[in-house]
Amino acid sequence: KQEVTQIPAALSVPEGENLVLNCSFTDSAIYNLQWFRQDPGKGLTSLLLIQSSQREQTSGRLNASLDKSSGRSTLYIAASQPGDSATYLCAVSLDDYKLSFGAGTTVTVRA
Amino acid sequence: DGGITQSPKYLFRKEGQNVTLSCEQNLNHDAMYWYRQDPGQGLRLIYYSQIVNDFQKGDIAEGYSVSREKKESFPLTVTSAQKNPTAFYLCASSPRGNTIYFGEGSWLTVV
Repeated sequence: KQEVTQIPAALSVPEGENLVLNCSFTDSAIYNLQWFRQDPGKGLTSLLLIQSSQREQTSGRLNASLDKSSGRSTLYIAASQPGDSATYLCAVSLDDYKLSFGAGTTVTVRA
Repeated sequence: DGGITQSPKYLFRKEGQNVTLSCEQNLNHDAMYWYRQDPGQGLRLIYYSQIVNDFQKGDIAEGYSVSREKKESFPLTVTSAQKNPTAFYLCASSPRGNTIYFGEGSWLTVV
């Protein structure tokens, strides 16, 4: 069974600092990996999708890397802003449909 | 606007009562999902459906039931057999093997 771990569970940084969020998974035979953002009491918003054949994806200030052999992905958020405060979750899929989620990292960006 | 609509946002269930959560999507996605989220935990898959009139159990299907009579709709019934139903429920949809989109969620509380 795929296990997904996100460490740390919570992170607090001053505004302007770069954020580094980690995700590890136990089964390297993944189909894809996704990073999501969740605001309190809300649904999830997809940030980046990395297919298994890709090494990284970028969108604006966000960059996600994928190393299947070591079972790791890292989400980088450059020049953090208070609006980046949220919980970030990663999820991996072993097929076209089912995702296994980590518990998330809750980020606070201090103004 | 295209998206996923969940209702109600808040729902209270009495002991021994069945309740149904609604999920409607107008994204023309084939696949639909129901996830449960407990505080400080990742999402866990309850049921998913790849096509109309077909659905599969996820990791925590006991005490829940679903139907998929229309492509747009995937209601979830929380039955009295679910002994600990208090949680945040998220509906999602996706095209096959691609980014998954979530609704805003429904809070269910047992009173």
